[in-house]
Amino acid sequence: LAKTTQPISMDSYEGQEVNITCSHNNIATNDYITWYQQFPSQGPRFIIQGYKTKVTNEVASLFIPADRKSSTLSLPRVSLSDTAVYYCLVGSSVGNTPLVFGKGTRLSVIA
Amino acid sequence: DGGITQSPKYLFRKEGQNVTLSCEQNLNHDAMYWYRQDPGQGLRLIYYSQIVNDFQKGDIAEGYSVSREKKESFPLTVTSAQKNPTAFYLCASSIWPGNTEAFFGQGTRLTVV
Repeated sequence: LAKTTQPISMDSYEGQEVNITCSHNNIATNDYITWYQQFPSQGPRFIIQGYKTKVTNEVASLFIPADRKSSTLSLPRVSLSDTAVYYCLVGSSVGNTPLVFGKGTRLSVIA
Repeated sequence: DGGITQSPKYLFRKEGQNVTLSCEQNLNHDAMYWYRQDPGQGLRLIYYSQIVNDFQKGDIAEGYSVSREKKESFPLTVTSAQKNPTAFYLCASSIWPGNTEAFFGQGTRLTVV
């Protein structure tokens, strides 16, 4: 899987929009970008996946520029319950390499 | 309900003993994974399996062993050779190897006493 780089931690106040950027300079043509959320003492949970431009679901939006060398996870109006670690992964849906997680971004939402 | 189940949730082991962590999935997924997570750290890959009767070492396989005799099951044995086994262990599965939409179990917290 292409290596990814994310900020180690971020802080935000409740109600703000949070944007977490992931750098993946070596992304391959067949690679998708996937984000996971992990709460303490739980397994990570898939939240969004995209290939290019913008993807939105009930949880988040994912913005991917034309060169696909980075991506931004956007969480609208965060609440205390969004405090978690967020992981960015890049990989091909047709590949056979294992899922490798980085250290993720620890988001702390403050009241 | 479809999903991936790990058991037990908490496990205590005496030093020098082997212990096996269970992971079962009913999602009909080909690929399964074991990760270790230490406090405040990311996930580190121990072993993964792309298909029944096949498995590969991950980044930190020393002191661990696995088997994949059935598609649904991928148990992890923490052996006495693992020098620092106290950690949170997570099992995951994906529909095929490399697919980045994975499903995780709730984890097993292993403590060596």
